[in-house]
Amino acid sequence: DVKVTQSSRYLVKRTGEKVFLECVQDMDHENMFWYRQDPGLGLRLIYFSYDVKMKEKGDIPEGYSVSREKKERFSLILESASTNQTSMYLCASTGQAPGGYGYTFGSGTRLTVV
Amino acid sequence: RKEVEQDPGPFNVPEGATVAFNCTYSNSASQSFFWYRQDCRKEPKLLMSVYSSGNEDGRFTAQLNRASQYISLLIRDSKLSDSATYLCVVILISSGSARQLTFGSGTQLTVLP
Repeated sequence: DVKVTQSSRYLVKRTGEKVFLECVQDMDHENMFWYRQDPGLGLRLIYFSYDVKMKEKGDIPEGYSVSREKKERFSLILESASTNQTSMYLCASTGQAPGGYGYTFGSGTRLTVV
Repeated sequence: RKEVEQDPGPFNVPEGATVAFNCTYSNSASQSFFWYRQDCRKEPKLLMSVYSSGNEDGRFTAQLNRASQYISLLIRDSKLSDSATYLCVVILISSGSARQLTFGSGTQLTVLP
């Protein structure tokens, strides 16, 4: 069964800390994504990557960076965490197959910045 | 204007009812369409793809109208277990052939006993 694993389910960090959220997929997928989900705003794309060492900004990249050194791993980095980055973070992946090919999500990391 | 718009609901329906959700998208170049289901405090999970010819999976029917740029989901004979948030998802092929998901903000459904 297809799997996307996020390293932490719940995380509490202090303002100003550097935070790493890890995502690993075991499906040999090219495309990986980081979203955040907030009440009333839905899922918003932060960054995505379509290949190793490739990355592209999504709709809300400010305050975040990413790293894709290996195909299976896509890391989201909060350089200096702020309280407005308190959110649910979801990682997803998909292969290159055209249309009718859904995305698989990790179970999410609920980050609280205090 | 949001790229993908859904009525947030909530839709509260009795068991056995038929309920329909619509979703509109703004980018006519959108190429793939899906409905996802998200239970409370869980990750979104793929419910079904949406094709122009329409497709059915048990009690669920999805339709795509490219000319009007909307997709729909019909649930027949609603069950208590159908209670969830239903997310409309649209995909564009962007640079480097990355397939980028755009989500609607979701429609909340509660099926009542």
